Amino acid sequence: QKEVEQNSGPLSVPEGAIASLNCTYSDRGSQSFFWYRQYSGKSPELIMFIYSNGDKEDGRFTAQLNKASQYVSLLIRDSQPSDSATYLCAVTGGAGSYQLTFGKGTKLSVIP
Amino acid sequence: DVKVTQSSRYLVKRTGEKVFLECVQDMDHENMFWYRQDPGLGLRLIYFSYDVKMKEKGDIPEGYSVSREKKERFSLILESASTNQTSMYLCASRGTGGTEAFFGQGTRLTVV
Repeated sequence: QKEVEQNSGPLSVPEGAIASLNCTYSDRGSQSFFWYRQYSGKSPELIMFIYSNGDKEDGRFTAQLNKASQYVSLLIRDSQPSDSATYLCAVTGGAGSYQLTFGKGTKLSVIP
Repeated sequence: DVKVTQSSRYLVKRTGEKVFLECVQDMDHENMFWYRQDPGLGLRLIYFSYDVKMKEKGDIPEGYSVSREKKERFSLILESASTNQTSMYLCASRGTGGTEAFFGQGTRLTVV
């Protein structure tokens, strides 16, 4: 069974610091990788996706992918209290795969 | 603006009742999914559908069935609701080609 592992947290960082969220996955054939943010009581919303090895930046967010190590991470620079949420890593399977497999999420708390 | 709409935000049902959860998407997506989300267990896939009238079991299909008679609509059916099916249910849809999944607002189901 395909697995996606995340530290459950909570991860606490002071306002303005960098938050680093990590995710590992078991299916070496996985091709697409997503980070979702979920506020309490709300549904997940996409922050970023990444397909290729390396870094991808979007504003304060940077996704990093290392397929050889089966590792994907999300960095949040200049963390704000509004970033406090649960962050879900999601991974697709190989070519032609329809499913997204989610990690259990890391709860992030940004302390003012 | 893309939309996935679930028929109810909150639902309370009695043990043994047949329960229908409806999900409609307006993005002409081929793939639709039903997840349940429980504290500490993350998002778990119940069923998914990659085409009209096509369905596949996810990780936890027991006690559930699904129906997809039209491309835009995917229904989750609890044949005989039990208290251990009390949960948050999330519907998602996804196009082909590695795109992200979009989520509905969720249905918080309580079975008493």
